[in-house]
Amino acid sequence: GDQVKQSPSALSLQEGTNSALRCNFSIATTTVQWFLQNPRGSLMNLFYLVPGTKENGRLKSTFNSKESYSTLHIRDAQLEDSGTYFCAAEAYPGSWQLIFGSGTQLTVMP
Amino acid sequence: EAGVTQSPRYAVLQEGQAVSFWCDPISGHDTLYWYQQPRDQGPQLLVYFRDEAVIDNSQLPSDRFSAVRPKGTNSTLKIQSAKQGDTATYLCASSFARNTGQLYFGEGSKLTVL
Repeated sequence: GDQVKQSPSALSLQEGTNSALRCNFSIATTTVQWFLQNPRGSLMNLFYLVPGTKENGRLKSTFNSKESYSTLHIRDAQLEDSGTYFCAAEAYPGSWQLIFGSGTQLTVMP
Repeated sequence: EAGVTQSPRYAVLQEGQAVSFWCDPISGHDTLYWYQQPRDQGPQLLVYFRDEAVIDNSQLPSDRFSAVRPKGTNSTLKIQSAKQGDTATYLCASSFARNTGQLYFGEGSKLTVL
């Protein structure tokens, strides 16, 4: 089911612009992870979050556990940011079992 | 530090054939996961281990799928009598759960069942 719902499902950006991806949860998760899957299929861990905000270069992610959502902000998008972004939440606290959303397919155009 | 290693990268089978996928997790990681990712979907957990013990295999189709991690390091996922619906990428991931649950994935094994 839609325990982890991502939006939008697909997004096109011009190089140099900014955007935000969102994840809504219907399960009571205490941690969130964001991944980028490149065209070869490799999943790279971008963020591991407890409630709060983390920043890494042009990426910033926030997890609001009270309102059950997380966002991933991309600043100054580059061509290499293209791929599918997944968020994932713990099935239940302490389980280390992740439930993934269905992904946001991002295309950055020159 | 070496990442998670999987083999083979690709497999093509006829229905009814068997295949085994192998995973070598990051050294020192106690938890190992197998995920199935159908085309254009998110990964779905099949089974995970803490050391050599199965923690949850409730999503593993037990009649045809099996997974082992006998020494708490490498793991093998086997599919017997493959079906077309098994066509997917099989992803292995590992984490050091006693520290955090941050997952690191291998590049996956892409299975096509004709």
